[in-house]
Amino acid sequence: DVKVTQSSRYLVKRTGEKVFLECVQDMDHENMFWYRQDPGLGLRLIYFSYDVKMKEKGDIPEGYSVSREKKERFSLILESASTNQTSMYLCASRSPTVNRPSGNTIYFGEGSWLTVV
Amino acid sequence: DAKTTQPNSMESNEEEPVHLPCNHSTISGTDYIHWYRQLPSQGPEYVIHGLTSNVNNRMASLAIAEDRKSSTLILHRATLRDAAVYYCILRDPLGFGNEKLTFGTGTRLTIIP
Repeated sequence: DVKVTQSSRYLVKRTGEKVFLECVQDMDHENMFWYRQDPGLGLRLIYFSYDVKMKEKGDIPEGYSVSREKKERFSLILESASTNQTSMYLCASRSPTVNRPSGNTIYFGEGSWLTVV
Repeated sequence: DAKTTQPNSMESNEEEPVHLPCNHSTISGTDYIHWYRQLPSQGPEYVIHGLTSNVNNRMASLAIAEDRKSSTLILHRATLRDAAVYYCILRDPLGFGNEKLTFGTGTRLTIIP
């Protein structure tokens, strides 16, 4: 079975802490994504990476950075956590669309619930 | 990016068919229509996709309007396990791998026993 694994399901961090959310996929996918999900706001794209060492800003990149040193791993970094970053974070991956015109299936992890106090 | 519009919420009785609408009036000729669903406390999962013709799979059916400006996800016989948020998104196959995938707020489907 294909799998996207997020390292932590539940985290509690203090304001100002540096937070790392890790995501690993075992499908050799080039593209990986980080979203956050808040009530009433749906899924909002933070950053995405279309290949190793590549990254692009999504719709809400402020306060976040990412790292993609290896193909299978995409890390989301909160440089200095704030209470408004309390949210559920979702990682996703897929193969590039160019290989399959109908667009490849997007696979999501189970989510990481982050509380910043 | 072409946008989609869905109702915020819908209710349906168990064991009855459910029709979930999606409007995408600015869809381009090459965009595929994809549906995902998110069960409680889980990440979204793929349901179905199509381009022009209606599509069926073991989970659902997808009916696409002739002008492609709207589509409907059909659950033929809803069960309590179908209670989820359903997302309709457009996928551009000409994005050369750098496609930014955006999801909206989706439709929250409640199934009444």
